[in-house]
Amino acid sequence: GQNIDQPTEMTATEGAIVQINCTYQTSGFNGLFWYQQHAGEAPTFLSYNVLDGLEEKGRFSSFLSRSKGYSYLLLKELQMKDSASYLCAVLDSNYQLIWGAGTKLIIKP
Amino acid sequence: DAEITQSPRHKITETGRQVTLACHQTWNHNNMFWYRQDLGHGLRLIHYSYGVQDTNKGEVSDGYSVSRSNTEDLPLTLESAASSQTSVYFCASSEKLAGPYEQYFGPGTRLTVT
Repeated sequence: GQNIDQPTEMTATEGAIVQINCTYQTSGFNGLFWYQQHAGEAPTFLSYNVLDGLEEKGRFSSFLSRSKGYSYLLLKELQMKDSASYLCAVLDSNYQLIWGAGTKLIIKP
Repeated sequence: DAEITQSPRHKITETGRQVTLACHQTWNHNNMFWYRQDLGHGLRLIHYSYGVQDTNKGEVSDGYSVSRSNTEDLPLTLESAASSQTSVYFCASSEKLAGPYEQYFGPGTRLTVT
C-alpha cells in the first residue's frame, strides 16, 4: 500500500527554526509537494521537489532524498502566522497526489 | 484574477437525501479533482477529471458521482447521503499533472449529514 508519515503535531518558538519530516512509500515517484493549510482554510502550495537536494524559497526550504523516501520542510525565523498544518504529498506513478495527514505546527511567543 | 470557487460553503442535510456540491474554476484547467478531508486522515481523492466528458474514480468514490460537461465545472453528487460522508470537501484544479504544477484549491464545503 501507499503510505506517507509525518508527525501529528509540533511546537516551536517565535523566531526559531523548525524542521518537519515526511517519509513515504508510494507506487512510483513523480515529485513531492509541501502545502500549508491554516485552520478552516484551503491548502496552499509551498514547494516542489523532484530531484535530491535542497530547494530554498525565502524563509522556507524543502529537502528530498529519493533513496531514503524522505523529505523535510525547514521553516526559519518563525512568525506567529506560520501556525498552521503542513501537508506532505507525493505524486505517484499514476500522477495522483498521495497525501500525508499533516503536521500541526504551534508557534509560541 | 483566476479563481476556484465552491458552493455552498456549509450544508446540513439528512441521511438519504441527494446533495450536490458545486465547483467552478476560471483557470481554464483541464484537470479537476474532488477530495474529502477528515481528522487524522490526509486528503483523500474521491473523483477526478482530465477534461470535458472525462471522469475517473478515486480512492473513496463509493456513494459519490461527478460529471464534466464543460471545462469550468465539476459538480460532486452524493446519491444518498450517509453520516459517514460528514466531512470537509475540497475541489482543486491543475494545469498539468506532471512537473511542478501545483493544485489550486477551492475554499471547501463543510457538509454535515444528520
